[in-house]
Amino acid sequence: NAGVTQTPKFRILKIGQSMTLQCTQDMNHNYMYWYRQDPGMGLKLIYYSVGAGITDKGEVPNGYNVSRSTTEDFPLRLELAAPSQTSVYFCASARGQREAFFGQGTRLTVV
Amino acid sequence: AQSVTQLDSQVPVFEEAPVELRCNYSSSVSVYLFWYVQYPNQGLQLLLKYLSGSTLVKGINGFEAEFNKSQTSFHLRKPSVHISDTAEYFCAVSTTGIGTASKLTFGTGTRLQVTL
Repeated sequence: NAGVTQTPKFRILKIGQSMTLQCTQDMNHNYMYWYRQDPGMGLKLIYYSVGAGITDKGEVPNGYNVSRSTTEDFPLRLELAAPSQTSVYFCASARGQREAFFGQGTRLTVV
Repeated sequence: AQSVTQLDSQVPVFEEAPVELRCNYSSSVSVYLFWYVQYPNQGLQLLLKYLSGSTLVKGINGFEAEFNKSQTSFHLRKPSVHISDTAEYFCAVSTTGIGTASKLTFGTGTRLQVTL
């Protein structure tokens, strides 16, 4: 059982480039989340979704976009990469407000 | 909106000693509470959760936590730690209620360093 799968695991971007971080889950969870983790800062919520077609901003949404066209997939889009977006990104899914299951993370460096 | 405070950024402890990692939350509605552990270069793994019922909850690896509504706390404890418990620990909260689009909110984490 795959759980939550994130791709890629690592990526280096140049300033101004764009990319999409992929996230897919096979647990039929309605909630999905994107977090970024910076040293000493914990996890900051970027965007979340409570079901297909419904998304909402978290604490730090600027510079990112999401879509949720299916229950399984929740891609995160970076349009104009900036050094401040260097971070580790985690996708998670949950059944309602219960415990979330996390992917292994994507380590992104913007140079 | 809910929030979580983990007052200790680092907790050093000797092997076989007891440990308590503190977590306080703020919310105007009822909550669900969680503790997650993160080993180096890995994702987060659920240690334990409080959804309802008994305020003392037991999790994996010998950890337990107690929900204290009056003090809005959910401290994590282990009576005897092992070197392998060295990791980052995160407290998290989500809110309950019908129709609530609840977000899972995390604290800043506590680094538990176990030494011989």
